[in-house]
Amino acid sequence: QSALTQPASVSGSPGQSITISCTGTSSDVGAYNYVSWYLQHPGKAPKLMIYEVSNRPSGVSNRFSGSKSGNTASLTISGLQAEDEADYYCSSHTNINSCVFGGGTTLTVL
Amino acid sequence: QVQLVESGGGLVKPGGSLRLSCAASGFTFSDHYMTWLRQTPGKGLEWLSYIGGSGSTIYYADSVRGRFTVSRDNAKNSLYLHMNSLRAEDTALYYCARDFAAAADYWGQGTLVTVSS
Repeated sequence: QSALTQPASVSGSPGQSITISCTGTSSDVGAYNYVSWYLQHPGKAPKLMIYEVSNRPSGVSNRFSGSKSGNTASLTISGLQAEDEADYYCSSHTNINSCVFGGGTTLTVL
Repeated sequence: QVQLVESGGGLVKPGGSLRLSCAASGFTFSDHYMTWLRQTPGKGLEWLSYIGGSGSTIYYADSVRGRFTVSRDNAKNSLYLHMNSLRAEDTALYYCARDFAAAADYWGQGTLVTVSS
C-alpha cells in the first residue's frame, strides 16, 4: 500500500486559514470514511485531531475541520495560531484491513 | 484518564529479537482494538499492526508480517509486540495506541528501538 500524498509544507499568518490536502486512491481514502488527521509537535507523540473524515474528538478546537472529495481528504485550520505550528499527518483505513499514513506536512505560522 | 506506557526498547543486533510491552490504564482494555505504529527519526509514521479486543483478529503491515507478532493479555491490560529478524530499517520509535473508529485516539510516549551491530 503506497503512502498517502501530502504537501511537504504549508504556511500561513496568524488569523488566516490554511488547508492541507491528503490524496490517496479508491482503495483507501476514496473507499472509506475512515480518514484521520494527527498533529505532532517536536518530541511529542501524535495527537488525534479529526477522525471519520470530519469528526473532532472531545477537546479539539472547532478551528480544525476535515472534509473529503473522492480520493482526496482535506484538513482546514481557521484562525491560525502560533501553537498550530506542527507536523500534520493524515491516515486512512484501506481495503486490505490496514492503515496507511501520509508523509506529513509541516505547518509554519509566519 | 487513559494512559499507555510502552517499554522494552533498546539496542539490538541485526537478526536479533526484542519484545515491546504496552501497559494500558484508564479504560476497559478488552473493549478496544489496539495498534502498534512506529516513526523513524525525521520521517513519518508507519502503521504496523491491529489486534482486536479478544486477540482473535489481527492484521499486519507487509513490512513486518512474518517477523513481528502482536499479542495481548487482557487480564494484565497489556499489549505486546514480539519482533524477530530485526533489520537496520526497523530502527524507530515504537508507539502503541488505542484504536477508535479506525483512528488512534490515545498514544503512548513511545519506546526507541535501535538495530545496529
